[in-house]
Amino acid sequence: DAGVIQSPRHEVTEMGQEVTLRCKPISGHDYLFWYRQTMMRGLELLIYFNNNVPIDDSGMPEDRFSAKMPNASFSTLKIQPSEPRDSAVYFCASRVTGGPGTQYFGPGTRLTVL
Amino acid sequence: AQRVTQPEKLLSVFKGAPVELKCNYSYSGSPELFWYVQYSRQRLQLLLRHISRESIKGFTADLNKGETSFHLKKPFAQEEDSAMYYCALSDRDDKIIFGKGTRLHILP
Repeated sequence: DAGVIQSPRHEVTEMGQEVTLRCKPISGHDYLFWYRQTMMRGLELLIYFNNNVPIDDSGMPEDRFSAKMPNASFSTLKIQPSEPRDSAVYFCASRVTGGPGTQYFGPGTRLTVL
Repeated sequence: AQRVTQPEKLLSVFKGAPVELKCNYSYSGSPELFWYVQYSRQRLQLLLRHISRESIKGFTADLNKGETSFHLKKPFAQEEDSAMYYCALSDRDDKIIFGKGTRLHILP
């Protein structure tokens, strides 16, 4: 298994543009998490899904952020419009039921908004 | 409120010296605690969990409920231990709450 896959690995965009980050969880995992990592705030949970259903989106910073999971093997995190303060590394992670602490992380997407 | 606190953003230790990365938590109930590690250019990965009471790469961590701490320790630091370390707590809602992380830098 290739593990959790994220694309793109790097994204540079201009303020106001729409950004879409993609994630493919490990096959068979029924939980999917989106995190944002910054120097100032560390690792923040944005939203997580269980069986493709959003469970907790309280970490989503603003209405500019949205996430979907149309099926068990794909999720997107969208920022529209993007702002320079959104610059960060965005991680996707997945796990199975019964293993709450053992999350498997993707390589991350480094987003730079100019 | 549930919270994980890692008081040190950066810890520099000489090779061969003991290492202690501090972690304190606040949680109403019986917590499940973990340490995650992110080596340079690698993915964030689970290092150890308190219920396993294991030693991974020479690291151990003991849960102290009285002091609400879960410090990560290693008796002799190695250069390959340089990394970002996150203490984490699992709550009843199946999500993990991470601390802000401590960057460990092993000096030669």
